[in-house]
Amino acid sequence: QVQLVESGGGLVKPGGSLRLSCAASGFTFSDYYMSWIRQAPGKGLEWVSYISSSSSYTNYADSVKGRFTISRDNAKNSLYLQMNSLRAEDTAVYYCARFVGEGEYGDYWGQGTLVTVSS
Amino acid sequence: QSALTQPASVSGSPGQSITISCTGTSSDVGGYNYVSWYQQHPGKAPKLMIYEVSNRPSGVSNRFSGSKSGNTASLTISGLQAEDEADYYCSSYTSSSTLPVFGTGTKVTVL
Repeated sequence: QVQLVESGGGLVKPGGSLRLSCAASGFTFSDYYMSWIRQAPGKGLEWVSYISSSSSYTNYADSVKGRFTISRDNAKNSLYLQMNSLRAEDTAVYYCARFVGEGEYGDYWGQGTLVTVSS
Repeated sequence: QSALTQPASVSGSPGQSITISCTGTSSDVGGYNYVSWYQQHPGKAPKLMIYEVSNRPSGVSNRFSGSKSGNTASLTISGLQAEDEADYYCSSYTSSSTLPVFGTGTKVTVL
């Protein structure tokens, strides 16, 4: 069965960096787009970024453009989110999800990892 | 890109049917059949319930159905059960952004 497991979250100071990882299993990782979605405490969902199956195509929310970088390693069945210049408003649970590009939806989601940006 | 508009809360008694609306514009909900719906229980990850307006993934109860009219998409839950109490979010492709856009979210309460 499809399984997505995020890791790498934690407490970081404003201006700091963090790298999130998402380990995928149960499907042919290299065949699928992947995405990151976040949810601030007590708030709604926000699409953060997605990446095509071969890494040739990436997109970002305006709120993270220039600060976050999505990448993947198909040999390791892993998705990453490098987060730089972190701000308090980046505090959220970050979910990875398998992304169906044709229909623009996430069909399988991980359990999430919490990122807290605070001094 | 502004979030799609959903009612903050909807409630119903067990066995009843409820409908959650998701209102956008012709640039998103009204212009494309790329609306999806997600269920989120407290402290849990979202779960896909409906994709491409009205399609149900394997394993999702047929008590959940989706539709669209104009710029408004709807999720209907029939035969409401206690386990349906959760937050629900719509999402749509939008031509105004490179990423889809979520709705504001609706808390469903089973009375």
